Amino acid sequence: AQTVTQSQPEMSVQEAETVTLSCTYDTSESDYYLFWYKQPPSRQMILVIRQEAYKQQNATENRFSVNFQKAAKSFSLKISDSQLGDAAMYFCAYRRGGGGADGLTFGKGTHLIIQP
Amino acid sequence: DGGITQSPKYLFRKEGQNVTLSCEQNLNHDAMYWYRQDPGQGLRLIYYSQIVNDFQKGDIAEGYSVSREKKESFPLTVTSAQKNPTAFYLCASSAGTGVGQPQHFGDGTRLSIL
Repeated sequence: AQTVTQSQPEMSVQEAETVTLSCTYDTSESDYYLFWYKQPPSRQMILVIRQEAYKQQNATENRFSVNFQKAAKSFSLKISDSQLGDAAMYFCAYRRGGGGADGLTFGKGTHLIIQP
Repeated sequence: DGGITQSPKYLFRKEGQNVTLSCEQNLNHDAMYWYRQDPGQGLRLIYYSQIVNDFQKGDIAEGYSVSREKKESFPLTVTSAQKNPTAFYLCASSAGTGVGQPQHFGDGTRLSIL
């Protein structure tokens, strides 16, 4: 079974600084997708960024970018120019490739605190 | 606006009682999912459905049941067999069966035991 590990239960960063959240995963599959979701205090899950395992280029969405290291099974999220609105729980998630519509496997999350 | 609607927002269950959580989507998505979230934990998959009248068990299906009679609706029943039902429940959907399609989530239902 696939597992996703987020080793940082909590991270703190000063506003406008850069922070990196770590995620590692374990799978025997070669085709899969990785996601970062944000969960603010409202508890709604918001997709931040997505990475296809077959793509070598790291995904980027505005201030959010990933460092995808397939051989190391690592998928970290970098948030540049941190803003107060970035404060939330961040979850790394995995989904195997192939056919079907399997659900996501989530890590336990990292609580990101933004210091003004 | 298109989206996923979960109701109720808060739900209380008495011992031995079955309760049903509603999930409706108007995104025309084929696949729908139910997740459970406990404090300090990530989300765990309960059930998922790729098409109408078809669904599969996820990692923690024991004590839960679902139905998918309509494309738009995927209700979750928490049965009396689920001995620890207190949690936050999230419903999600995704377009087609392509695994790269991101899942869109509802606002959740918080279930507590009286």
